[in-house]
Amino acid sequence: VQLQESGPGLVKPSQTLSLTCSVSGGSINSGEDYWSWIRHVPGKGLQWIGFIDYTGRPSYNPSLESRLTMSTDTSRNEMSLTLRSLTAADTAVYYCAKGGSLFDPWGQGILVTVSS
Amino acid sequence: DIHMTQSPSSLSASVGDRVTISCRASQSIDHYLNWYQQTPGKAPKLLIFGGFNLQSGVPSRFSGSGSGTDFTLTINSLQPEDFATYFCQQSSSSPYTFGQGTKLEVK
Repeated sequence: VQLQESGPGLVKPSQTLSLTCSVSGGSINSGEDYWSWIRHVPGKGLQWIGFIDYTGRPSYNPSLESRLTMSTDTSRNEMSLTLRSLTAADTAVYYCAKGGSLFDPWGQGILVTVSS
Repeated sequence: DIHMTQSPSSLSASVGDRVTISCRASQSIDHYLNWYQQTPGKAPKLLIFGGFNLQSGVPSRFSGSGSGTDFTLTINSLQPEDFATYFCQQSSSSPYTFGQGTKLEVK
């Protein structure tokens, strides 16, 4: 399985971030697989954002839940992340990964900068 | 949330050395502890899961131990490709949390 993130590299404060994770080498809704988003905030370490399971049911980190939506598009074999009301604190490298609590493999990551 | 603390935050060593990295959980996580390796510009790679299980394809010089709150990653006979940042992560309870990382550098 290989994963690849895509989306904007620069977003303005208060706006909404939309990222896509394209999955190849496997089906996003096969087996009992889970798919996660994780971010690496500069100087603050890795943070699990949430996962979506093979039925499309999400589970979010409570610290982000009020601003977060995750979904899958099985026809495109993709999952997506939407994060609203962005601030500079959301500047990070965003990764998608296979797994709900144990993550392997990971995508290469995409740097998202929140700045005006 | 379960807080994960790694030590040291950075470590200098030479090729051929044996190094250990510690990870402590703020509460018991049984054996639900995983280790990842990240080299600059690359995605994190799973090394060890469930405290001591070596992920397929990972060299046997890597080993993990511990349970409850205290865990250790050991690398025997360091190789040049092992100089990287290592993260621990608990998969015991959501939200799943990571240590802050240990950067292993060339002495």
